[in-house]
Amino acid sequence: GQQVMQIPQYQHVQEGEDFTTYCNSSTTLSNIQWYKQRPGGHPVFLIQLVKSGEVKKQKRLTFQFGEAKKNSSLHITATQTTDVGTYFCAGPPTSGTYKYIFGTGTRLKVLA
Amino acid sequence: NAGVTQTPKFQVLKTGQSMTLQCAQDMNHEYMSWYRQDPGMGLRLIHYSVGAGITDQGEVPNGYNVSRSTTEDFPLRLLSAAPSQTSVYFCASIIPGTDTQYFGPGTRLTVL
Repeated sequence: GQQVMQIPQYQHVQEGEDFTTYCNSSTTLSNIQWYKQRPGGHPVFLIQLVKSGEVKKQKRLTFQFGEAKKNSSLHITATQTTDVGTYFCAGPPTSGTYKYIFGTGTRLKVLA
Repeated sequence: NAGVTQTPKFQVLKTGQSMTLQCAQDMNHEYMSWYRQDPGMGLRLIHYSVGAGITDQGEVPNGYNVSRSTTEDFPLRLLSAAPSQTSVYFCASIIPGTDTQYFGPGTRLTVL
């Protein structure tokens, strides 16, 4: 079956350092979504990318969708303690369906 | 709007017991879904519904039943609980036209 892997699994950074998580799917995705889950909380939608090669920015966060629509990345510039949490990518393999496959997640810890 | 609500927040069952996890949304969203999240893992889709009277299986449907008699409610039933079903269960609905999944706060289930 389809798998979506994320690396790294864990990342500890000093506050102010940059952070990147990578998402790799075994099959092509029609779109990619990113979610953030705080410890003990529920996933919160961050963004959706649809087009091949698309890049979107939200303040210190930069999201990228690969040309082949099989990989994506999330980059955080100058991390803050509020960035702590687990970041998940997710996508449906087929356009028009809602059978989302979630990535394994990257847990970020930010040391003050 | 209360958003997506889930009850109960916590539940402990014995093997073989049955129970229903409740999920409701007051945003008139057609699409709703159930996920389970195991420690250190991403979310896995159990069942989903694209509208009242329409349900379909996700990635891990075995051991779970769903029905969708109204737009607002999407209960998840465990007919005979097993320890392997110990997990955190999240319900989500999709904002029409955006594909954004809006998650409830979750139910933490332990099966002894």
